[in-house]
Amino acid sequence: EIVLTQSPATLSLSPGERATLSCRASQSVSSSLAWYQQKPGQAPRLLIYDASNRATGIPARFSGSGSGTDFTLTISSLEPEDFAVYYCQQRSNWPPNFGGGTKVEIK
Amino acid sequence: EVQLVESGGGLVQPGGSLRLSCAASGFTFSSYSMNWVRQAPGKGLEWLSYITSTGSAIYYADSVKGRFTISRDNAKNSVYLQMNSLRDEDTAVYYCAKSKTYYFDSWGQGTLVTVSS
Repeated sequence: EIVLTQSPATLSLSPGERATLSCRASQSVSSSLAWYQQKPGQAPRLLIYDASNRATGIPARFSGSGSGTDFTLTISSLEPEDFAVYYCQQRSNWPPNFGGGTKVEIK
Repeated sequence: EVQLVESGGGLVQPGGSLRLSCAASGFTFSSYSMNWVRQAPGKGLEWLSYITSTGSAIYYADSVKGRFTISRDNAKNSVYLQMNSLRDEDTAVYYCAKSKTYYFDSWGQGTLVTVSS
């Protein structure tokens, strides 16, 4: 099973700042990686799929990059509603699985 | 608008059984594969099971293989998860999720399953 390691575990930033989240895979997943956002008490929401494609309705301030084993989710300028936990997920190898998450909190 | 509504969660004793349901609307249910994903309290996400649009192919995570059974009824726009031999570590919020080629593009609000004596 592919292991996805997300870093940092917690990111403390202020609104308006740029957030850079990392997801590293234990072996290549090509571009088969997605990012999800989860707010407290809510279900996850798909943000990015195939490493860099924004899902329907996702604002342009969210962008994804990377391929192979190293991936990045960037939030260009944090809005108050962006403070949440973010998970990466790979679908390259069975079973599909998730990273441990990065919490983006208000500094 | 896609809607997924889970039900059937609750408190069950170790070794017991529970059947979760997920009612879908807002899309052509019979054309999409579906999944169950869970989240233990304060923990991350764990994919559990997948069923194709016709039910012809089904997959499980090792952690639930042999204990959980996924099924669907396209006439009722519903997917189910039969959970047997429940353990303490199965305590979690259970989500159904619509497949987008092995990603999960729509999620229900979740139903809480608590396994405790």
